[in-house]
Amino acid sequence: DTGVSQDPRHKITKRGQNVTFRCDPISEHNRLYWYRQTLGQGPEFLTYFQNEAQLEKSRLLSDRFSAERPKGSFSTLEIQRTEQGDSAMYLCASSSVGGQGTDTQYFGPGTRLTVL
Amino acid sequence: AQSVTQLDSHVSVSEGTPVLLRCNYSSSYSPSLFWYVQHPNKGLQLLLKYTSAATLVKGINGFEAEFKKSETSFHLTKPSAHMSDAAEYFCVVRAWEAGNNRKLIWGLGTSLAVNP
Repeated sequence: DTGVSQDPRHKITKRGQNVTFRCDPISEHNRLYWYRQTLGQGPEFLTYFQNEAQLEKSRLLSDRFSAERPKGSFSTLEIQRTEQGDSAMYLCASSSVGGQGTDTQYFGPGTRLTVL
Repeated sequence: AQSVTQLDSHVSVSEGTPVLLRCNYSSSYSPSLFWYVQHPNKGLQLLLKYTSAATLVKGINGFEAEFKKSETSFHLTKPSAHMSDAAEYFCVVRAWEAGNNRKLIWGLGTSLAVNP
């Protein structure tokens, strides 16, 4: 068990470009979450998968954002036509449903996006 | 409705002295509670969790927290602060909603500074 990994760790892009981030969850975790975190704030929920099904999307997730988890393992988060306001840390977490439905989430190191 | 309040946005202690980070929650149901730590430019690490078992929960790095239902509190403590404890700490409650038990409610965070 190597933990949740994310790639890349840092991304600098120009406004209007598309970017894609990858998350590899802890093996056998069936739930995967994406969050966004800006400086000095806690994480904001973006979306969540159970296996390959995307079960919920936050209103924060505009049409420019799309996430996939095609085989129920790794996930990608794509941002199209990036804006400066998209600059943030994008965090991925995974979990599996345990006793009493505790569903403890374990986080990756994050991808820091800077939009110039 | 569920909520979580971290009572201090910043806490400063001297190395070797006790740490107390305060958290109060509101939940209509028996909650699951978590503390996460985030070091600068790093991802979130689970410190400890309460899931309706023992009310005194021991976590990593010498931290512990006590669930007090009568006070709706889940304060984080450590007997002796170390320089490496300087970080942002988040108190989190799992919100139980009809048919949906995965939503995390995040506190705004407490920044812990440890002075030599």
